[in-house]
Amino acid sequence: DADVTQTPRNRITKTGKRIMLECSQTKGHDRMYWYRQDPGLGLRLIYYSFDVKDINKGEISDGYSVSRQAQAKFSLSLESAIPNQTALYFCATSEGHDTQYFGPGTRLTVL
Amino acid sequence: GQQLNQSPQSMFIQEGEDVSMNCTSSSIFNTWLWYKQEPGEGPVLLIALYKAGELTSNGRLTAQFGITRKDSFLNISASIPSDVGIYFCAGQRGGSNYKLTFGKGTLLTVNP
Repeated sequence: DADVTQTPRNRITKTGKRIMLECSQTKGHDRMYWYRQDPGLGLRLIYYSFDVKDINKGEISDGYSVSRQAQAKFSLSLESAIPNQTALYFCATSEGHDTQYFGPGTRLTVL
Repeated sequence: GQQLNQSPQSMFIQEGEDVSMNCTSSSIFNTWLWYKQEPGEGPVLLIALYKAGELTSNGRLTAQFGITRKDSFLNISASIPSDVGIYFCAGQRGGSNYKLTFGKGTLLTVNP
């Protein structure tokens, strides 16, 4: 079984809809991250969490919110989706400052 | 914000050829990482480098942490079709700064 799972893997939605992407990990890591990937732009950090009570904005947090429901779960929400939020979204985990391990990604399309 | 310049953006090579790609930065990093991403999957760590000058191999892959701590390169020897994918470098400042800064990736295509 995969250590980092993301649901859904693909989602098509309409402008203005609220969307939640979920991430779960079985690695026991304390830190979790949400990234966005756009063609030609690499990976950009949206939010990160060092533990259940800690949430921090990344470089592109506008239009997004997160919730760390438990050590193993970190969800990303788009309160009112817009077309330029169409992208691949990746969750990652790490133990302290150590290497980050990525989930398989969610492909989100906002029409 | 912090940027990594990764080159080349894409490469088309024949099976059996060697490949080299690199990342440079205007700032110092304490850790350099190289990831590979295949279609429909998330990035997977290939090699991690923690010391300036360090040269590390993983099978046919070899990566080096530049002496100035502002660059790193990745070499793939004797390429095979399954090497196809996007290769990303990432730098980490270390200490209390956990953040990874990613390059924009190198798309590698290997013709059999």
